[in-house]
Amino acid sequence: DGGITQSPKYLFRKEGQNVTLSCEQNLNHDAMYWYRQDPGQGLRLIYYSQIVNDFQKGDIAEGYSVSREKKESFPLTVTSAQKNPTAFYLCASSPRTALEAFFGQGTRLTVV
Amino acid sequence: GQSLEQPSEVTAVEGAIVQINCTYQTSGFYGLSWYQQHDGGAPTFLSYNALDGLEETGRFSSFLSRSDSYGYLLLQELQMKDSASYFCAVGGTGGFKTIFGAGTRLFVKA
Repeated sequence: DGGITQSPKYLFRKEGQNVTLSCEQNLNHDAMYWYRQDPGQGLRLIYYSQIVNDFQKGDIAEGYSVSREKKESFPLTVTSAQKNPTAFYLCASSPRTALEAFFGQGTRLTVV
Repeated sequence: GQSLEQPSEVTAVEGAIVQINCTYQTSGFYGLSWYQQHDGGAPTFLSYNALDGLEETGRFSSFLSRSDSYGYLLLQELQMKDSASYFCAVGGTGGFKTIFGAGTRLFVKA
């Protein structure tokens, strides 16, 4: 079955540590995205990538980094520079624009 | 700046029709989308409007008026499983930088 797989589903991080969230898609989509969702709020764009080896900052990129070495994969690293990393992180992909996107099941990150 | 406004909560009765409005301010408008999200789950794409008018997909319809910077999602024959949060989203130039509204929580009562 085609889809987007995010792992892990839950992640706990100690303050000061970097952590990488995985996102893999087998939909053959060119574009991929990372969003952050805080309780009771909408999604905010962290980074997006339109094609392999290219990515752009979204609205809240500070403290995050990404890579896009393969079409299928778009990992997100939450660095120690991110002051408030506890949130629900959603990865998405789309065949065209972000307005018709397919989402993974998300990773819930908690800083302990 | 860019912003979207949608009601925070809507309550309706099973079998009824409900409309969720969305007004937006954005530069380089590329289109308006709607997503459904159940608690703890991932958003699911419902509908997309690039041009003015009504788009119908089963029980769900979405409307856009670009001159009014306004759209709405219409849900018909409400079912209990429609209880969820609904987000509108608009795309800027190129359609890749998307802004989401804060979401409307729909409660469907028996």
